[in-house]
Amino acid sequence: KAGVTQTPRYLIKTRGQQVTLSCSPISGHRSVSWYQQTPGQGLQFLFEYFSETQRNKGNFPGRFSGRQFSNSRSEMNVSTLELGDSALYLCASSFGTGVDQYFGAGTRLSVL
Amino acid sequence: GESVGLHLPTLSVQEGDNSIINCAYSNSASDYFIWYKQESGKGPQFIIDIRSNMDKRQGQRVTVLLNKTVKHLSLQIAATQPGDSAVYFCAEGEGQTQGGSEKLVFGKGMKLTVNP
Repeated sequence: KAGVTQTPRYLIKTRGQQVTLSCSPISGHRSVSWYQQTPGQGLQFLFEYFSETQRNKGNFPGRFSGRQFSNSRSEMNVSTLELGDSALYLCASSFGTGVDQYFGAGTRLSVL
Repeated sequence: GESVGLHLPTLSVQEGDNSIINCAYSNSASDYFIWYKQESGKGPQFIIDIRSNMDKRQGQRVTVLLNKTVKHLSLQIAATQPGDSAVYFCAEGEGQTQGGSEKLVFGKGMKLTVNP
């Protein structure tokens, strides 16, 4: 069974641009969560989607948004990029309630 | 690979030793705890979990201990191997939200280095 796939693996953007990251969950998993990982703050929860609906949301500004498609694939978007958005963005999928989350390898975003 | 733990506390052990990684959690209402391992260039990998109604759970070479009185969680790795070198995170599940999902809050992590 294929694991969680995140694309692209690396991205370089400049301040003010916007970016879209993609996540394909494990087949059969309907919950997708997104996290931001930085050396200073660690892993921070962004939001979680289940059956195309956002079920839970962390404490990030509105520039961070996401969506989920009917095939459970998910995208997250960051608009008006800031230098502080440079981070590893991780996606995790689970079958239902969000426990037993399986992580992808992440997308490394660098904002210059 | 990506550098995950530039500012992390580090534990260095010799191959074959037992390792203990500790974690303090914040929410006394958390009902679910998980340990993850993250190797360079990879996402976190599930190791073992424990429910709040338990105080000990054993897996293969790993044991998790939960002390709810002092809100402390530990991961014990027996006969540590070089392949165990990674960053280890604890996470607490704060219970299902109104939306029905389990929100996980992660600790800062600890870097384990195993010397051959």
